[in-house]
Amino acid sequence: ETGVTQTPRHLVMGMTNKKSLKCEQHLGHNAMYWYKQSAKKPLELMFVYSLEERVENNSVPSRFSPECPNSSHLFLHLHTLQPEDSALYLCASSQDWGGYTEAFFGQGTRLTVV
Amino acid sequence: QKEVEQDPGPLSVPEGAIVSLNCTYSNSAFQYFMWYRQYSRKGPELLMYTYSSGNKEDGRFTAQVDKSSKYISLFIRDSQPSDSATYLCAMREAGTALIFGKGTTLSVSS
Repeated sequence: ETGVTQTPRHLVMGMTNKKSLKCEQHLGHNAMYWYKQSAKKPLELMFVYSLEERVENNSVPSRFSPECPNSSHLFLHLHTLQPEDSALYLCASSQDWGGYTEAFFGQGTRLTVV
Repeated sequence: QKEVEQDPGPLSVPEGAIVSLNCTYSNSAFQYFMWYRQYSRKGPELLMYTYSSGNKEDGRFTAQVDKSSKYISLFIRDSQPSDSATYLCAMREAGTALIFGKGTTLSVSS
């Protein structure tokens, strides 16, 4: 197990549901990230938080709403999703944002929108 | 042109073979280069990390960066069935997010 834990591991939700993904890191890192991984596509960066402030938002639809209450926890709130949002959602953390540091990933949440 | 190009494979080799995985990129400002390994149903794990040009070796793995050609490689010597996974290259310039390739799926048969 890595120092980044994601829950749930699997999630099936209807298009009208509201759900949240949770990420927790035990590495003492200052930056946290949400990535989307779809089949046959590169990992897509969705959001970056550094010291609990959002520093990057890559044109993500408003049906995805991140929250970072402290440097150890990151949430992704989901509402009125579309079937094309089905993917593996990965959380990652790094010591700092933008510096000479690598990112450590969680196991991901496999999301299916029906 | 995509920023990072990586042949998705699949690549199938027999146990013991030398494997070469490659990525090309277009942004000459990229300075940090990484290789991640992702097993099925798992998150990516960092395998190798190099800064700027040159080689880096770690056990059976060697990472090479050729900035003049905008080309990076990962070599796996004496490949094992446990090396079967998807290998993702990633790179970035200072102060920006990682840009990933699509990943190459490798299968090593015993």
